[in-house]
Amino acid sequence: GAVVSQHPSWVICKSGTSVKIECRSLDFQATTMFWYRQFPKQSLMLMATSNEGSKATYEQGVEKDKFLINHASLTLSTLTVTSAHPEDSSFYICSARRRTGSYNEQFFGPGTRLTVL
Amino acid sequence: SQQGEEDPQALSIQEGENATMNCSYKTSINNLQWYRQNSGRGLVHLILIRSNEREKHSGRLRVTLDTSKKSSSLLITASRAADTASYFCATDAVGGANSKLTFGKGITLSVRP
Repeated sequence: GAVVSQHPSWVICKSGTSVKIECRSLDFQATTMFWYRQFPKQSLMLMATSNEGSKATYEQGVEKDKFLINHASLTLSTLTVTSAHPEDSSFYICSARRRTGSYNEQFFGPGTRLTVL
Repeated sequence: SQQGEEDPQALSIQEGENATMNCSYKTSINNLQWYRQNSGRGLVHLILIRSNEREKHSGRLRVTLDTSKKSSSLLITASRAADTASYFCATDAVGGANSKLTFGKGITLSVRP
């Protein structure tokens, strides 16, 4: 199967610090990676879409200078939450897409729980 | 913005019973997918149904799609306690290289042993 990992699985940081989250596709090359955030008992909200070697496309209302995305290779994307504040505390989930026939499949990572004190 | 709206928002049933969850959406779609999420974990893909399909089966799962009503249903037959999770429908409006998923709010399913 297609496996996507995220690291770290949880992180606690002080307000004002930056936190980097990694998303890796372990056994396939991802044409595109997506970053979502999810508040407790709520749905996933797409933050941005990134393609390897190009700039990420951010959804409306998501600050690109706040949430830096680097898609360095076909198997790795990183999300850096800069100058984190308590309101950034959330569950961040990445997904990776590989092309399968005419329809693209997305495979989700296990998520990263960020708590900003 | 959210596209899918599931109902009910929460469902509690006895083990062995069937669970039916519904999803409605607003715009045209290329395909619709159902995902499962255990508490505090990532999403697991359950099933994908294309816009030109009306019904699809996978094990104990049955998904229907009515594009005229812009709705889909997920049926889990002979439920088990291990089916307890949140279930999300997600719509893909365009498919192909530019596809992206828009998730509904989710349904919390509790299966009592």
